[in-house]
Amino acid sequence: SQTIHQWPATLVQPVGSPLSLECTVEGTSNPNLYWYRQAAGRGLQLLFYSVGIGQISSEVPQNLSASRPQDRQFILSSKKLLLSDSGFYLCAWGLAGGSTDTQYFGPGTRLTVL
Amino acid sequence: AQSVTQPDIHITVSEGASLELRCNYSYGATPYLFWYVQSPGQGLQLLLKYFSGDTLVQGIKGFEAEFKRSQSSFNLRKPSVHWSDAAEYFCAVGGRTGANNLFFGTGTRLTVIP
Repeated sequence: SQTIHQWPATLVQPVGSPLSLECTVEGTSNPNLYWYRQAAGRGLQLLFYSVGIGQISSEVPQNLSASRPQDRQFILSSKKLLLSDSGFYLCAWGLAGGSTDTQYFGPGTRLTVL
Repeated sequence: AQSVTQPDIHITVSEGASLELRCNYSYGATPYLFWYVQSPGQGLQLLLKYFSGDTLVQGIKGFEAEFKRSQSSFNLRKPSVHWSDAAEYFCAVGGRTGANNLFFGTGTRLTVIP
């Protein structure tokens, strides 16, 4: 069966520091991968998605970037964090070329920028 | 453009009472529709999904949802709520694009009173 991991689970970082959040998927090949942010009291905002290694699409211009160095690895980064980057970050995967759009979510990373 | 509206930000029900969470969508074609549940500090878990066929779909944990094309709605129901159902519920619509992106509503927080 497929599983999705995210780490760290929680993170407290000062403003201006760098960020690296990692997501890995097991049990499937060539998945579509997604990064979402969930701010307090708000819905999910799609940040990035990837349909293959090295292929990144950005949905919202911002202080963050994403990379996919391996088939089942998706990394969210920032060179300098802002206060507004605080939130709950969720990674998800879906079947590539799938006709059903179902996405499966990881446990999330709670990021607090102080 | 695709969009999802969940008009109820917060709903409180008594344990054992019935539940209906509303979801309205905007999409130019027949959508894929989803309901996810999120417990505090956790990722999202898929409750149920509609792709085609029978407009009443059954999900996990005793939930069901009905797709009504004429009303552009996909409301979630449960006949008898349990205290463990307290969580945040998200409705989503599939964009049927190559990346299978989902568009989420802002969520409804459910509180269950003993």
